[in-house]
Amino acid sequence: GDSVTQMEGPVTLSEEAFLTINCTYTATGYPSLFWYVQYPGEGLQLLLKATKADDKGSNKGFEATYRKETTSFHLEKGSVQVSDSAVYFCALGKGGATNKLIFGTGTLLAVQP
Amino acid sequence: DTGVSQDPRHKITKRGQNVTFRCDPISEHNRLYWYRQTLGQGPEFLTYFQNEAQLEKSRLLSDRFSAERPKGSFSTLEIQRTEQGDSAMYLCASSLVGGDGQPQHFGDGTRLSIL
Repeated sequence: GDSVTQMEGPVTLSEEAFLTINCTYTATGYPSLFWYVQYPGEGLQLLLKATKADDKGSNKGFEATYRKETTSFHLEKGSVQVSDSAVYFCALGKGGATNKLIFGTGTLLAVQP
Repeated sequence: DTGVSQDPRHKITKRGQNVTFRCDPISEHNRLYWYRQTLGQGPEFLTYFQNEAQLEKSRLLSDRFSAERPKGSFSTLEIQRTEQGDSAMYLCASSLVGGDGQPQHFGDGTRLSIL
């Protein structure tokens, strides 16, 4: 069945370091891909999305490119801040009548000053 | 846009009791979803409404679970005869009908703890 695999955390970085969180997916058809972020005690917030191959989603300095050939949607940021500390979830949208989301297990990012 | 609202934020109950959660979606959104998230895992899809019609239910949704969305506005999720394994965060999300890239907007969730 359809699934999303994320790199395991926690990922611990110093402020201003470069961030990569790997995400790969298995899906039939052409799903949309999303990154959501969950800050402590809060719900999930949409960070960015891409709806077709080679699309790049970007927001708040984060970027991810929809790579169909490698079935990947890796999240990157050039310079992380302490305020970026959160859990990041990669998800695929099945589309169709339901458009339900299938999530990865999440990656905890801890940024130290 | 006041966002998706869920009530209560926390619920502690004894095993065997019934519980009901409420979700108020973003007002113009006609799609509403329920997900369950356990510790260290990503959210898992439970069920979906388009307007008042419940169009899909996951196999995770046992007979003890029932969801409604009367009049296509707010939704309730009821769990009867709660079990230890029901302890989780229950998330509600809403979205517009549209292309496949329509994002879902999540509430802060209801955390259920079964004693």
